[in-house]
Amino acid sequence: ETGVTQTPRHLVMGMTNKKSLKCEQHLGHNAMYWYKQSAKKPLELMFVYNFKEQTENNSVPSRFSPECPNSSHLFLHLHTLQPEDSALYLCASSQYRALNQPQHFGDGTRLSIL
Amino acid sequence: DAKTTQPPSMDCAEGRAANLPCNHSTISGNEYVYWYRQIHSQGPQYIIHGLKNNETNEMASLIITEDRKSSTLILPHATLRDTAVYYCIVRFMTTDSWGKLQFGAGTQVVVTP
Repeated sequence: ETGVTQTPRHLVMGMTNKKSLKCEQHLGHNAMYWYKQSAKKPLELMFVYNFKEQTENNSVPSRFSPECPNSSHLFLHLHTLQPEDSALYLCASSQYRALNQPQHFGDGTRLSIL
Repeated sequence: DAKTTQPPSMDCAEGRAANLPCNHSTISGNEYVYWYRQIHSQGPQYIIHGLKNNETNEMASLIITEDRKSSTLILPHATLRDTAVYYCIVRFMTTDSWGKLQFGAGTQVVVTP
């Protein structure tokens, strides 16, 4: 139990569907992150939120739309995805800009695009 | 930004100590060394981090050389559940960077009975 919960754990969707991934942290952190992990590739940072404000977007396609209503919840809205978007999507949280405080990760959502 | 170099894989016998090396020869004085591991189909799990001094917690020990150019993660008594990919990461802060984690390929550790 890391204190970061992601739902659903598995998701299969067609390219025309719209779905959302949810992340919740119970650690009192003020920053939340979305990462993508494709097969045989290192984790790639997608988005960073600090106190609900997006502070980083690593050139992520617009078919991925993040939302952070408060510092405990983070969503990733998905629409018109492509087969290459199939991956493990990981959420993490931490204290923002605190080098000596670790990020804690959830167990991810395994996404498959048909 | 400092990069790290780790062996791609290593084996360890159950019950023995596992010593995982990491080279970070370009590390700067204010950059932390972090270790994470990822067990198959799970998210990365934080293990330990350090700046200059050696560190120990309930999971592992981190030994950082005096010049800080390399470090070793020690799992004192490896179990089969320690089979995972282990990532050594140097975490830095600049005006444009907020201390992000940059994951490399890591070391695949296999603990055998």
